[in-house]
Amino acid sequence: DIQMTQSPSTLSASVGDRVTITCRASQSLSSWLAWYQQKPGKAPKLLIYKASSLESGVPARFSGSGSGTEFTLTISSLQPDDFATYYCQQYNSYGWTFGQGTKVEIK
Amino acid sequence: EVQLLESGGGLVQPGGSLRLSCAASGFTFSNYAMSWVRQAPGKGLEWVSGISSIGGTYHADSVKGRFTISRDNSKSTLYLQVDSLRAEDTAVYYCAKDGGYMDVWGKGTTVTVSS
Repeated sequence: DIQMTQSPSTLSASVGDRVTITCRASQSLSSWLAWYQQKPGKAPKLLIYKASSLESGVPARFSGSGSGTEFTLTISSLQPDDFATYYCQQYNSYGWTFGQGTKVEIK
Repeated sequence: EVQLLESGGGLVQPGGSLRLSCAASGFTFSNYAMSWVRQAPGKGLEWVSGISSIGGTYHADSVKGRFTISRDNSKSTLYLQVDSLRAEDTAVYYCAKDGGYMDVWGKGTTVTVSS
C-alpha cells in the first residue's frame, strides 16, 4: 500500500493567515491526489481533486499543487469557517489511503 | 439533490455481524463505483472496501475475509456485510461515491463492538 504522510499534524493560525499543509506519498501518484475538510461530527467534504482542481462550490481561497510524491494544500486567507481537520488521499493505486490528518486550530 | 443515507449500525458483541446499507438518490447509481470509509473514535479516515460499477470488489487488508461489499443497482443501494467483528472495528462507517476521489458522502452509521 502507498503510505501518505501529512505535516504538520496540528497547526495554530489566526484569521487572515496564509496556511500551507504538506502531504508526501511513499511512491509517485502522478496527480492522483485529493484533499478533504472535516469538521467534528460531520462527514468529510471534498475540496480538491487531481492535485489542483477545485471542487465546485469550494471557495477560491483553497488551492492545491504538486505532483509525484509531494503535494500542498494552501488556504490563502484563513476564515473562521476553515478551522477543521484536513486530509489528503491518494487514488493512484487501489487500496486508497489517507494521510493522518492536519488539525487547523485557532491561535 | 445527490444524497447517500447509511443505516444498519449498532452495538454488537465481539465476533458478531451486521449488514450496513447505503441508499443513494439524485444520481445514476449503477454508473458509479462506491466505497466504504470508516473513522474510529478520535482517529483519521480509513478506506475499507470498494466496488466498481460492474461489481468488482476490493477490501483493505485489515478487513479482508471478514467484510463483504455488494450492491443492488435496482434498489440504488450499497451494502457492507461485516462479520467476525473486533473491538478495533468500532467506528463511524461512511459510504461515498467513488471516482477515485470521493465527491459525495453520507452522514455515516456508527458501529460499536463491545461486550
